[in-house]
Amino acid sequence: EPEVTQTPSHQVTQMGQEVILRCVPISNHLYFYWYRQILGQKVEFLVSFYNNEISEKSEIFDDQFSVERPDGSNFTLKIRSTKLEDSAMYFCASSLYSGEHSYEQYFGPGTRLTVT
Amino acid sequence: QQPVQSPQAVILREGEDAVINCSSSKALYSVHWYRQKHGEAPVFLMILLKGGEQKGHDKISASFNEKKQQSSLYLTASQLSYSGTYFCGGNTGNQFYFGTGTSLTVIP
Repeated sequence: EPEVTQTPSHQVTQMGQEVILRCVPISNHLYFYWYRQILGQKVEFLVSFYNNEISEKSEIFDDQFSVERPDGSNFTLKIRSTKLEDSAMYFCASSLYSGEHSYEQYFGPGTRLTVT
Repeated sequence: QQPVQSPQAVILREGEDAVINCSSSKALYSVHWYRQKHGEAPVFLMILLKGGEQKGHDKISASFNEKKQQSSLYLTASQLSYSGTYFCGGNTGNQFYFGTGTSLTVIP
């Protein structure tokens, strides 16, 4: 069964450093998402991506964040100048469709980011 | 504004039933339900697309009242494996909103 994969599973970085979180969505899916979950809290939407551009982004997704689909398979989240409060689990997800023709989202296993 | 769920937490004995409610102030195209176990990714349970739609999967079912923007998840004859945090969610456009979450614990 196809699945979303994410690397690394755990990333430790120092405050102020840049990190890149990587995701490989399911191959025939068209919509890609990044979510953040601070330990013990709700899952928060960061950004959705379709047709090689950002479709929507939340208030959390400020200039510190960027996303890219550098090739036909990878989908990356870059966090510049990391802060302590960026420590969280970051989930990538993909779906076949979105909007009015909403389909289920398949989540990757997550990358736990720890900023020290 | 994220959907609000109730209750926040519930503890059940194996075999008991539970209802989790989800209410949105925004009009959603659809309602999704996910279950997340500790330290794992959310796992899709079901999606309800139309007003008044109901769906079921084994002993878990759900309904969606599109007019009221309310959805309920029904768990019957709960099993230990049902333990986890349940999130409703939905999208308006391409932004997806997860609900506040309901922690469900099933004890023997």
